[in-house]
Amino acid sequence: AQSVAQPEDQVNVAEGNPLTVKCTYSVSGNPYLFWYVQYPNRGLQFLLKYITGDNLVKGSYGFEAEFNKSQTSFHLKKPSALVSDSALYFCAVRPPSGYSTLTFGKGTMLLVSP
Amino acid sequence: DAGVIQSPRHEVTEMGQEVTLRCKPISGHDYLFWYRQTMMRGLELLIYFNNNVPIDDSGMPEDRFSAKMPNASFSTLKIQPSEPRDSAVYFCASSFMAGSGETQYFGPGTRLLVL
Repeated sequence: AQSVAQPEDQVNVAEGNPLTVKCTYSVSGNPYLFWYVQYPNRGLQFLLKYITGDNLVKGSYGFEAEFNKSQTSFHLKKPSALVSDSALYFCAVRPPSGYSTLTFGKGTMLLVSP
Repeated sequence: DAGVIQSPRHEVTEMGQEVTLRCKPISGHDYLFWYRQTMMRGLELLIYFNNNVPIDDSGMPEDRFSAKMPNASFSTLKIQPSEPRDSAVYFCASSFMAGSGETQYFGPGTRLLVL
């Protein structure tokens, strides 16, 4: 069975600084990996996904994530954080074969201070 | 497209009452998912449908929960009778199985409070 770990409950960063939200996964075969963001009192919004190809994936709002197969990681990054990036971020994984559901991590709260 | 639509957005009810949550998926999507989010348990998948047929309901907590999808544009999640521990945010999501890497799109959620 697949699993996702987001080791940090919260990440604090100052506006303008780079940010990283960590995600590691466990799945058989090559994974499909996703990042979602949840703003207060809102549903989850899709940010980006890795299916195959270039290990660096670019997504919405200037976010990007790097797939590292050897480290089984898919960390979310942004070069310069904005206060408006403050939200709850979820990493999710599913195996490539057949269809199965996404397995979500527990989420990481990102707080960007002015 | 309007995205996934859920109603009501907020629901306050008393223990023992029946609660019905509604979802309209994105047109053309053939998968529909119901999730529950709480502080303690995070995001949990309750049930999902493919082409209106329930595929996996192993996440449904108990018999008090039931879900239906009578057609491609409508689904309900019913709790009868409701209990305080059912208080949570319930999300509906839909996706199109285009071969690989399908993305789930979430609705705004229904915030349920059972007193």
